[in-house]
Amino acid sequence: AQTVTQSQPEMSVQEAETVTLSCTYDTSESDYYLFWYKQPPSRQMILVIRQEAYKQQNATENRFSVNFQKAAKSFSLKISDSQLGDAAMYFCAYRMHTGANSKLTFGKGITLSVRP
Amino acid sequence: DGGITQSPKYLFRKEGQNVTLSCEQNLNHDAMYWYRQDPGQGLRLIYYSQIVNDFQKGDIAEGYSVSREKKESFPLTVTSAQKNPTAFYLCASRPESTVRGGYTFGSGTRLTVV
Repeated sequence: AQTVTQSQPEMSVQEAETVTLSCTYDTSESDYYLFWYKQPPSRQMILVIRQEAYKQQNATENRFSVNFQKAAKSFSLKISDSQLGDAAMYFCAYRMHTGANSKLTFGKGITLSVRP
Repeated sequence: DGGITQSPKYLFRKEGQNVTLSCEQNLNHDAMYWYRQDPGQGLRLIYYSQIVNDFQKGDIAEGYSVSREKKESFPLTVTSAQKNPTAFYLCASRPESTVRGGYTFGSGTRLTVV
């Protein structure tokens, strides 16, 4: 079974600084998707970024980028120029590539606080 | 606008009662999912359905039941057999027809046993 591990329950960053959130996963599959979701206090889940395992290039979305290390099964999220609105819970998630088993498996999440 | 509607936002249940959480989507998505969120536990999959009239158990299905009679609707019943039902419940959907299709989440239901 696939597992996703987020070992840091909380992190804090100064506004305008950069922070990296860690995630590791375990799978025997070679093709899959990885995601980072943001959950603000409203509790609405928001997709931050997605990485396809067959792509070597790391995904980027504005201030958000990932460091995808397939061999190490590591998928960290870097937030640059942190803003107060980035304060939220962040979840790392995994999904197999094939549609027959398209469920998302989540890590336990990390609470990010941003200091003004 | 298309989206997922979960209702009610807050729900209180007496011990021994069954309650049903509603999840409706107008996105024409094939697959629908129910997740439970507890502090420090992340999101855990309860049930999912990839097609009408079919559904599969997730990782923590005991004490829950679902139905998928219509493509748009995937209600979750929390039965009296669920020993610790107080939690935040999230419904999600996804189009199965596209491999890259992303998930859409509802805004959740907070269930409290009183």
